[in-house]
Amino acid sequence: EIVLTQSPGTLSLSPGERATLSCRVSQSVSSSYLAWYQQKPGQTPRLLIYAASSRATGIPDRFSGSGSGTDFTLTISRLEPEDFAVYYCQQYLTFGPGTKVDIK
Amino acid sequence: EVQLVESGGGLVQPGGSLRLSCAASGFTFSSYSMNWVRQAPGMGLEWVSYISLRSSTIYYADSVRGRFTISRDNVKNSLYLQMHSLRDEDTAVYYCARTSQYDWSFELWGRGTLVTVSS
Repeated sequence: EIVLTQSPGTLSLSPGERATLSCRVSQSVSSSYLAWYQQKPGQTPRLLIYAASSRATGIPDRFSGSGSGTDFTLTISRLEPEDFAVYYCQQYLTFGPGTKVDIK
Repeated sequence: EVQLVESGGGLVQPGGSLRLSCAASGFTFSSYSMNWVRQAPGMGLEWVSYISLRSSTIYYADSVRGRFTISRDNVKNSLYLQMHSLRDEDTAVYYCARTSQYDWSFELWGRGTLVTVSS
């Protein structure tokens, strides 16, 4: 069974700052199957990144994904007000617990 | 417009049953595998069930196996989730989600339907 661990649980930052979110997978997996989602309060999850580093349609280039094996990272280069949300990583049919990015 | 619209949620007593539906439009439904994902109040996302294009492959989360049944009708462009023996912990918003044709990402989501299990 694959287990995904996300850190930190909460990230408190100011607009304009850089956000670095981590997703660790319990066993080495193909980076082709690692995805990231954004969910704002009261809204549906939205696919941001697929295959570890490919941006989904319409996703701004301030969002980037990287990593391989068991360690993956979502980076938001400069936080915009609309980026404060919860971010989930996903591998196959398993989601991580999420990282909340809130305003400092 | 490409969209998924869930329906069928509501209030049900513990031990009861409910059938959720997801209507797909704007794309060739039969070309995509589909999923149900749920989110309990204030909690994270939990994948529930997966069904392949022609229903030949089906998976369930351990938490629902034996109680929930996923199915699809490619003529009606619809996905279903039959839920039996419902428990308090099944209370959640249930989303249907389309799997990418190229990887396991969930590229399209519905708005969800709320299932509340309570006496």
